[in-house]
Amino acid sequence: DQQVKQNSPSLSVQEGRISILNCDYTNSMFDYFLWYKKYPAEGPTFLISISSIKDKNEDGRFTVFLNKSAKHLSLHIVPSQPGDSAVYFCAASPVTGSARQLTFGSGTQLTVLP
Amino acid sequence: GAGVSQSPRYKVAKRGQDVALRCDPISGHVSLFWYQQALGQGPEFLTYFQNEAQLDKSGLPSDRFFAERPEGSVSTLKIQRTQQEDSAVYLCASSRGTGSSYNEQFFGPGTRLTVL
Repeated sequence: DQQVKQNSPSLSVQEGRISILNCDYTNSMFDYFLWYKKYPAEGPTFLISISSIKDKNEDGRFTVFLNKSAKHLSLHIVPSQPGDSAVYFCAASPVTGSARQLTFGSGTQLTVLP
Repeated sequence: GAGVSQSPRYKVAKRGQDVALRCDPISGHVSLFWYQQALGQGPEFLTYFQNEAQLDKSGLPSDRFFAERPEGSVSTLKIQRTQQEDSAVYLCASSRGTGSSYNEQFFGPGTRLTVL
């Protein structure tokens, strides 16, 4: 049973437009949420995160929104650039335990068209 | 500065062979994680070390999987009697601290294991 779901395997966006990637989770024990970006043959790279006490976090072109009641988060990229083309993973970390291991979604392949 | 490194980057094994995958975390990082990423999926947690102590191995899929970090830095993930379903990318991540607040995990490039 997937605790973190990314229902869109792929997304294509024109350069300069907004990219919106979505993620849903089911586990109420998650209290920290992250987005990772992954290029082929490389490990995931941290992009942006948000704590459950916030509903928005912004870093340059990247903004993450968290809706706790809906158990939904989204990543907005504005404006989108061709270099943003990659697989984006949503991940969540639980509030309990010392491990703080990440639970990942299955990823969304973003393609930004020039 | 050096990031997390993993070796080998690619490994092909015949079914039934044993393999050992190495992870060199960022120097000074206390926490070390292993994840398994199947094709088309996100990484899945395997095990966690805090220094040399393996505090969580709940994600290891079978007793054929064994991980160690004897001196609290380099870690090895060993898979005995490999099966085709073990084919995946094995990712290692390290983070600076532990405790109640989240510490960013830095990932290595992964080892792609193919079992024939």
